[in-house]
Amino acid sequence: GAGVSQSPSNKVTEKGKDVELRCDPISGHTALYWYRQSLGQGLEFLIYFQGNSAPDKSGLPSDRFSAERTGGSVSTLTIQRTQQEDSAVYLCASSYPRGVAGRLETQYFGPGTRLLVL
Amino acid sequence: AQSVSQHNHHVILSEAASLELGCNYSYGGTVNLFWYVQYPGQHLQLLLKYFSGDPLVKGIKGFEAEFIKSKFSFNLRKPSVQWSDTAEYFCAVTTKAAGNKLTFGGGTRVLVKP
Repeated sequence: GAGVSQSPSNKVTEKGKDVELRCDPISGHTALYWYRQSLGQGLEFLIYFQGNSAPDKSGLPSDRFSAERTGGSVSTLTIQRTQQEDSAVYLCASSYPRGVAGRLETQYFGPGTRLLVL
Repeated sequence: AQSVSQHNHHVILSEAASLELGCNYSYGGTVNLFWYVQYPGQHLQLLLKYFSGDPLVKGIKGFEAEFIKSKFSFNLRKPSVQWSDTAEYFCAVTTKAAGNKLTFGGGTRVLVKP
């Protein structure tokens, strides 16, 4: 079946501009995650959505970052007033909800959006 | 909070050599452990995972990993590597307390010389 898709695949922007990154999770996956992969910081968690629950925003690096998930499916990560240190690959992942006996489910990753802030 | 460390940042070896990548985590409770691989130009893919049961886990492409609870380790192994195993390998952990989010190690770049 179709995997996690992300758009755009590449984005070049100027410092100070806003950007929106999109993620389409695997059909049926109610959990959706955003991560960031950068040279200096490695792979780091940003935000997590699970169904209709309040999102876990504990990984967002500043208030310039926000994300929403409409209709329990597609998610948009928005970065306002971009800075050069925001340059990174932004990864989206999705999974089924917590399963039997609270077992955590495997996350499947999309190809990422490579963001370059000039 | 949990953390993951991978001891080797870069590994270079020849085809048919054996591979072992170290991974240690810090967390006192129940963990779920993963190894992901990122081939050049491709996205992260799951190699194998440990949730419970047999601590020796077999994954795709001949990889296996062993969970040793007393050592807080989840080392990845492959007895005989191929050139196509050239990739970056990431160890990761999730816990219920952390709400499902993956905490990754810094990654190990593996180069297999033909």
